[in-house]
Amino acid sequence: EAGVVQSPRYKIIEKKQPVAFWCNPISGHNTLYWYLQNLGQGPELLIRYENEEAVDDSQLPKDRFSAERLKGVDSTLKIQPAELGDSAVYLCASSLGILAGGFDEQFFGPGTRLTVL
Amino acid sequence: RKEVEQDPGPFNVPEGATVAFNCTYSNSASQSFFWYRQDCRKEPKLLMSVYSSGNEDGRFTAQLNRASQYISLLIRDSKLSDSATYLCVVTHTGNQFYFGTGTSLTVIP
Repeated sequence: EAGVVQSPRYKIIEKKQPVAFWCNPISGHNTLYWYLQNLGQGPELLIRYENEEAVDDSQLPKDRFSAERLKGVDSTLKIQPAELGDSAVYLCASSLGILAGGFDEQFFGPGTRLTVL
Repeated sequence: RKEVEQDPGPFNVPEGATVAFNCTYSNSASQSFFWYRQDCRKEPKLLMSVYSSGNEDGRFTAQLNRASQYISLLIRDSKLSDSATYLCVVTHTGNQFYFGTGTSLTVIP
């Protein structure tokens, strides 16, 4: 079974340019997460979806970041315009969510490593 | 105050040694607890869940102390392949996962 798929794996852009990341979760997983991870830090939640609904976007910088999860499957995360401080790894994860009925394991994609010059 | 706090290390231990990591959490209503492992430049992967009664998986033992709000991970007979960052994870209601900063472990030959 395929895991969480993310693309691109690497992206280098100049500041003020837009950038978009794509995530395809594990089939059947209701919950999708976008995290940001800086070097030496743990993942920090940006947004969490239950199906197509964003249920927690309190940490998403809404002036420049946006996300969508159409039809409750794939998701895209966009930054416009990018700033130097946005350089990080953007991780997508998925889980069964309420269907787990107990401990809910998150499965992570390989991440997109963004460098803003 | 951070939801989850860990000593970032690094921990450098010789092969065969026993090493223990601790993690504290701030919300007494936290529901589930996990240890994830993250290799260099890779994504985090679940190592083990942490049950109230404590649980063991081979050389790995996890403990939960709700009264003191900390969880621990013990690795016995360390292998070179155990070198990684170990992330403490705590969840609240509604699938809210909180990650610690991670503890770096290097096992030395």
